[in-house]
Amino acid sequence: DTGVSQNPRHKITKRGQNVTFRCDPISEHNRLYWYRQTLGQGPEFLTYFQNEAQLEKSRLLSDRFSAERPKGSFSTLEIQRTEQGDSAMYLCASSLALAGRETQYFGPGTRLLVL
Amino acid sequence: SQELEQSPQSLIVQEGKNLTINCTSSKTLYGLYWYKQKYGEGLIFLMMLQKGGEEKSHEKITAKLDEKKQQSSLHITASQPSHAGIYLCGADMNRDDKIIFGKGTRLHILP
Repeated sequence: DTGVSQNPRHKITKRGQNVTFRCDPISEHNRLYWYRQTLGQGPEFLTYFQNEAQLEKSRLLSDRFSAERPKGSFSTLEIQRTEQGDSAMYLCASSLALAGRETQYFGPGTRLLVL
Repeated sequence: SQELEQSPQSLIVQEGKNLTINCTSSKTLYGLYWYKQKYGEGLIFLMMLQKGGEEKSHEKITAKLDEKKQQSSLHITASQPSHAGIYLCGADMNRDDKIIFGKGTRLHILP
């Protein structure tokens, strides 16, 4: 399977704990996006990378959130001191940004439940 | 306020019937994307439209972008149980490659 993969698929944690999610993009895709989706809503943009550079962060991304893409391949999203409001599906997408409009391909998501 | 409005919010149709889902914005849509999502899973890319008046089809699904690039429709012909799921429209509204999504349309197909 050469699509976008995310791990873990599900995570249950207690409030105040730290969690880390991983995303492996489609090989050779230079852009990687993180989105958050809550029940009954569409995905909301969090941040994105072009290669290893983090180009933009949404105001939704508080100081407790940090994302990295150290070698321009896989990415991690860490949430520190989790809160119940962080419970959501975290989606990763990748694309090949060349000239012209790109298409983002999504992974299966990581569903986070904070108790 | 929701920048991208989808209608209807949910839809129940008899298998074999046709259906249409709409996606509307007050702003110009520089890239319009349709995705399908099964409950609790990731998004599956369906189609991307860029030009005013553009129309694309894949199997029994046709998507159109109006001439003003502010409205798109997704039409499914002779619906099947496999078409059930959540259909999301998303758009680049600020020419910054970030997709803003609607809330989705939940489609149920009755056998």
